[in-house]
Amino acid sequence: GAVVSQHPSRVICKSGTSVKIECRSLDFQATTMFWYRQFPKQSLMLMATSNEGSKATYEQGVEKDKFLINHASLTLSTLTVTSAHPEDSSFYICSARGTSGREEQFFGPGTRLTVL
Amino acid sequence: GQNIDQPTEMTATEGAIVQINCTYQTSGFNGLFWYQQHAGEAPTFLSYNVLDGLEEKGRFSSFLSRSKGYSYLLLKELQMKDSASYLCAVSDSNYQLIWGAGTKLIIKP
Repeated sequence: GAVVSQHPSRVICKSGTSVKIECRSLDFQATTMFWYRQFPKQSLMLMATSNEGSKATYEQGVEKDKFLINHASLTLSTLTVTSAHPEDSSFYICSARGTSGREEQFFGPGTRLTVL
Repeated sequence: GQNIDQPTEMTATEGAIVQINCTYQTSGFNGLFWYQQHAGEAPTFLSYNVLDGLEEKGRFSSFLSRSKGYSYLLLKELQMKDSASYLCAVSDSNYQLIWGAGTKLIIKP
């Protein structure tokens, strides 16, 4: 099956700093990538959808100036959490959908962000 | 609005069979997915149904009835490692995945 990597897997940062999370599709081209956030014991919450070469589409309530998404190539999307605060601490997961015509999303392993 | 319903938690015994139901109301339908998620990990793909009927894959099977807006995931010969959350997700008319809250499955010896 398709493989999606995410880096870093875990990050601890101070309040006010910015954190960049990378999501890569390793063996397929991902025309669309998705960024999710998941708080403990809750379901996935879609933050934004990004298509290669165009601006990301953010879900209602997600600040686009705080969560910067760049989908510069068919294999890489990045999420930057700017001026992170403790309430941004969460599990961030990316997924990618390829060009094969199947609609399943392949998930990266997730990034655990802790803001002190 | 769009809505996915599945039970919050289920308990079953090792070696037994369990059925996890999912009902949905969405704007359009382009398939239904089941994912497994172990605590602290990302979801992993289990199955995809876009036509009515049963899809069998080893110990896991998934059923879909589009007219009823209903699906179930059937797990046979339960193993302790099957303890996880099972997420039902529907692809709507915009190919956006609408996620259920997940069913936490607890397997007891």
